[in-house]
Amino acid sequence: SQTIHQWPATLVQPVGSPLSLECTVEGTSNPNLYWYRQAAGRGLQLLFYSVGIGQISSEVPQNLSASRPQDRQFILSSKKLLLSDSGFYLCAWSQTGTSGTGQYFGPGTRLTVL
Amino acid sequence: AQTVTQSQPEMSVQEAETVTLSCTYDTSENNYYLFWYKQPPSRQMILVIRQEAYKQQNATENRFSVNFQKAAKSFSLKISDSQLGDTAMYFCAFMKLWGAQKLVFGQGTRLTINP
Repeated sequence: SQTIHQWPATLVQPVGSPLSLECTVEGTSNPNLYWYRQAAGRGLQLLFYSVGIGQISSEVPQNLSASRPQDRQFILSSKKLLLSDSGFYLCAWSQTGTSGTGQYFGPGTRLTVL
Repeated sequence: AQTVTQSQPEMSVQEAETVTLSCTYDTSENNYYLFWYKQPPSRQMILVIRQEAYKQQNATENRFSVNFQKAAKSFSLKISDSQLGDTAMYFCAFMKLWGAQKLVFGQGTRLTINP
């Protein structure tokens, strides 16, 4: 069966510091990968998605970047965090093709920028 | 572009009651997928139920069922015999048949099941 991991679970960082959030998927190959941000009590905002190694699409211009160095690894980064980067970050994966099985989410990372 | 609208920000029912959450969407696509996700206080997103637009039969998963009205672009979720563990945010989502399998989410409905 497939599993998706995210770490860290919680992170408190000062303004201006760098960020690296990691997501890995097990039990599948060549998945589509996604990064979302969720503000408290709000919906999900798609930040980045990837359909293959080195292929990154950005949905919203911002202070963040994403990379996919390996097939099942997706990293969200920032060189200098802003207060507005605080939120709950979710990674998700889906199968490629048209099966429409939906996306499966990791447990999330709660980021607080002070 | 597709949009998904959930018109009920909050709902509250008693345990064992039946509750229906509303969702409408806008698209020019003929074939697509629709989903309901649940996000409990742990904030883990859990896939509840899935509907293929080219199937007329409404999807059912145990106590969860949908009422899919393609012409009206409506996709409601019915929870029967509600339980305390059903307390969560519920998100309706749309996915095109082709492409990167991206989801378009509604803003969510906060459902509280009272004992």
